[in-house]
Amino acid sequence: EDKVVQSPLSLVVHEGDTVTLNCSYEVTNFRSLLWYKQEKKAPTFLFMLTSSGIEKKSGRLSSILDKKELFSILNITATQTGDSAVYLCAVTNSGTYKYIFGTGTRLKVLA
Amino acid sequence: DVKVTQSSRYLVKRTGEKVFLECVQDMDHENMFWYRQDPGLGLRLIYFSYDVKMKEKGDIPEGYSVSREKKERFSLILESASTNQTSMYLCASTMGAATYEQYFGPGTRLTVT
Repeated sequence: EDKVVQSPLSLVVHEGDTVTLNCSYEVTNFRSLLWYKQEKKAPTFLFMLTSSGIEKKSGRLSSILDKKELFSILNITATQTGDSAVYLCAVTNSGTYKYIFGTGTRLKVLA
Repeated sequence: DVKVTQSSRYLVKRTGEKVFLECVQDMDHENMFWYRQDPGLGLRLIYFSYDVKMKEKGDIPEGYSVSREKKERFSLILESASTNQTSMYLCASTMGAATYEQYFGPGTRLTVT
């Protein structure tokens, strides 16, 4: 059965800290891994990774995929209170239209 | 900008009522999805549709049905609402077969009393 596990479940940090969120997966015929940020509304897309070892970066956020060890990390440097959200990881496989989501990591950044 | 809209942000219904949740996207996406999101369980797929009038069951289709008569609109129907269907319902759309990111609507928080 395809599965996505995120850790930690929740995290509290102070502004300026750096955080690393983890996503491990088991999926047949892996196609891609996606990261989303969800505040009190719709999840918004952050990154899609398909190739191992290539870092995707957007401002203070970056992510990398390790297809051999079946995991991805999302790094946020110099955190701000606006980074407080649930971060979701999802994977897709080549055989279906489905996106398999993890349960998310809830990040709270204190001023 | 891709826009996915849902008919209601908050909805309160009684047990046994028939409930319609509507989702509209404006980017001509082929694929549309309905999820429910519950604490500790993440997003679980109820149904998805890869074309007009085409649908496939997701992981938790029991108690739900869907309708896609037009490409831009995907409706989720609770035939007879029950309290265990109290949840946040999220609609999403994407082009292609799971090769692109999904765009989500704002969600409908449904309470069944």
